[in-house]
Amino acid sequence: NAGVTQTPKFRILKIGQSMTLQCTQDMNHNYMYWYRQDPGMGLKLIYYSVGAGITDKGEVPNGYNVSRSTTEDFPLRLELAAPSQTSVYFCASRQGQDQPQHFGDGTRLSIL
Amino acid sequence: QKEVEQNSGPLSVPEGAIASLNCTYSDRGSQSFFWYRQYSGKSPELIMSIYSNGDKEDGRFTAQLNKASQYVSLLIRDSQPSDSATYLCAVKEGTSYGKLTFGQGTILTVHP
Repeated sequence: NAGVTQTPKFRILKIGQSMTLQCTQDMNHNYMYWYRQDPGMGLKLIYYSVGAGITDKGEVPNGYNVSRSTTEDFPLRLELAAPSQTSVYFCASRQGQDQPQHFGDGTRLSIL
Repeated sequence: QKEVEQNSGPLSVPEGAIASLNCTYSDRGSQSFFWYRQYSGKSPELIMSIYSNGDKEDGRFTAQLNKASQYVSLLIRDSQPSDSATYLCAVKEGTSYGKLTFGQGTILTVHP
């Protein structure tokens, strides 16, 4: 019963490097989301998707990109890592409009 | 900018007491409301969802919703040390894509 799986769990990047955070769900959910959570703060929406091939910006999209080629996968791309992107990143999915979101375990990213 | 505000913490209660967590929201069109619990270093997990005015009870947890006053609350009866966590209020905006806006969280500590 995997649910929402995120990889990697931890990563340290140097300024200017790029990387992709992976997110996969096996619940056949159409809606998927990427959030970041800074220490002592709530979750801020980066990008979301309502189905394969459809993505849109959230509250804090600058410095990130996403794609959704399949229902299962929703990767988040950082092109030029900056210290301000040090955070914990959570991927989430949900089934229907009024259903709750289910979260992955998170990726802890440090940029030095 | 749609906002969700939670009562400032941290909140400390003795074991066995009632913990009361409050949340107000700005979007009058909001239809769905969720409470998540987040242990330190872990991902948010859903504990309650509420969609209609009034109370909803699930075990030791009671969610209360008042759409006219734009607030939602969570009561935890017979608080246990294992309830010590950050509680996040989340509000789904009244659009078809249903993005969630999270509050900043309230840290609850239940001391023996």
